[in-house]
Amino acid sequence: EAQVTQNPRYLITVTGKKLTVTCSQNMNHEYMSWYRQDPGLGLRQIYYSMNVEVTDKGDVPEGYKVSRKEKRNFPLILESPSPNQTSLYFCASSLRPGPYEQYFGPGTRLTVT
Amino acid sequence: AQSVSQHNHHVILSEAASLELGCNYSYGGTVNLFWYVQYPGQHLQLLLKYFSGDPLVKGIKGFEAEFIKSKFSFNLRKPSVQWSDTAEYFCAVSPLSGNTGKLIFGQGTTLQVKP
Repeated sequence: EAQVTQNPRYLITVTGKKLTVTCSQNMNHEYMSWYRQDPGLGLRQIYYSMNVEVTDKGDVPEGYKVSRKEKRNFPLILESPSPNQTSLYFCASSLRPGPYEQYFGPGTRLTVT
Repeated sequence: AQSVSQHNHHVILSEAASLELGCNYSYGGTVNLFWYVQYPGQHLQLLLKYFSGDPLVKGIKGFEAEFIKSKFSFNLRKPSVQWSDTAEYFCAVSPLSGNTGKLIFGQGTTLQVKP
């Protein structure tokens, strides 16, 4: 089944404790990205990747890092999480950038206390 | 700046009522247009998309949307809603240059359908 998976689905952590949210797709997609969803703001892109070893900042990259060492995986790293990073995070992928459907993962709800 | 505005934040309808959700975008160029739906506890799913051609596009589950270029609008419609349509709906655009994979989302509209 074609899908985007994320882990963990729920995470409660404390300020400053490094964490990684994994994202994996099995569709051989080139384009992957991370979004955060906040009430009243919709979804905003954090980082994106055009292909392996090619990543760039989205609209709200502060406090986040990403890597793309393999085509299928695109982990999101929070080196020192802060309470303002409490949010719902979605990973997405598409065949290529452009007029292609984006497939979204199930989301990771992160709470930073 | 690029932005997407959804007119209604919370809509409550009875079953069989007609639905129209407004969406306007601000962007100095050509865009691709999308509507996504997020059912409670689930991830976003594509309802429909417009890239070019007929400005009236049909999607899944009886939804349709009309692109009106002169008004920068892409409103979502459904003639008769069902209780199972209760969800959050997002309008989104993606540019045709630069980061063409990026989706710029509206704030979302929560639709509640009463049985």
